[in-house]
Amino acid sequence: GDSVTQMEGPVTLSEEAFLTINCTYTATGYPSLFWYVQYPGEGLQLLLKATKADDKGSNKGFEATYRKETTSFHLEKGSVQVSDSAVYFCALSDFQGAQKLVFGQGTRLTINP
Amino acid sequence: EAQVTQNPRYLITVTGKKLTVTCSQNMNHEYMSWYRQDPGLGLRQIYYSMNVEVTDKGDVPEGYKVSRKEKRNFPLILESPSPNQTSLYFCASNRGATQYFGPGTRLTVL
Repeated sequence: GDSVTQMEGPVTLSEEAFLTINCTYTATGYPSLFWYVQYPGEGLQLLLKATKADDKGSNKGFEATYRKETTSFHLEKGSVQVSDSAVYFCALSDFQGAQKLVFGQGTRLTINP
Repeated sequence: EAQVTQNPRYLITVTGKKLTVTCSQNMNHEYMSWYRQDPGLGLRQIYYSMNVEVTDKGDVPEGYKVSRKEKRNFPLILESPSPNQTSLYFCASNRGATQYFGPGTRLTVL
């Protein structure tokens, strides 16, 4: 079945550092790919998405490119802030199925001032 | 404001005592889901509904029931909760590829 594998956490960085969180996927069809963010005590919010190969999703300084050849969707940000501290989830949605999201295990990110 | 609401936000109960977690969305979405979040496992889908009176099992449906009598509501029912159902639960709704999540319900079963 479909699956998503994320970089193991937790990740701790200093403010203004460069961030990469790796995400790879396995899917039988042509999934849409997502990054969701969960701030402490809150539900998940969509951060960005890409629906086809070579698409780049971007939001709030974060970017991720849908790479079909490497089945990856790595999350990057050039200069992180303390307010970016959260748990980040990579996910895929396969429209051949029931429009459910298949999630990675999540990566906890802590940014120190 | 477009939103998904869940109640209660926190619940502590005992084994075997039936409970219901409510979920409501005001976006007129047809598709709704329930997920549970457990450390190291991410979120896993419990049940989903594609429209009123249409529900189906997700990846981890054992021990749960749902109903969809109205488009806006999708309650999750635990008829006889057990400690392994202690978890953080999220309701979500969507029309297209993007899902909108509620704030979560933290359930502890003693």
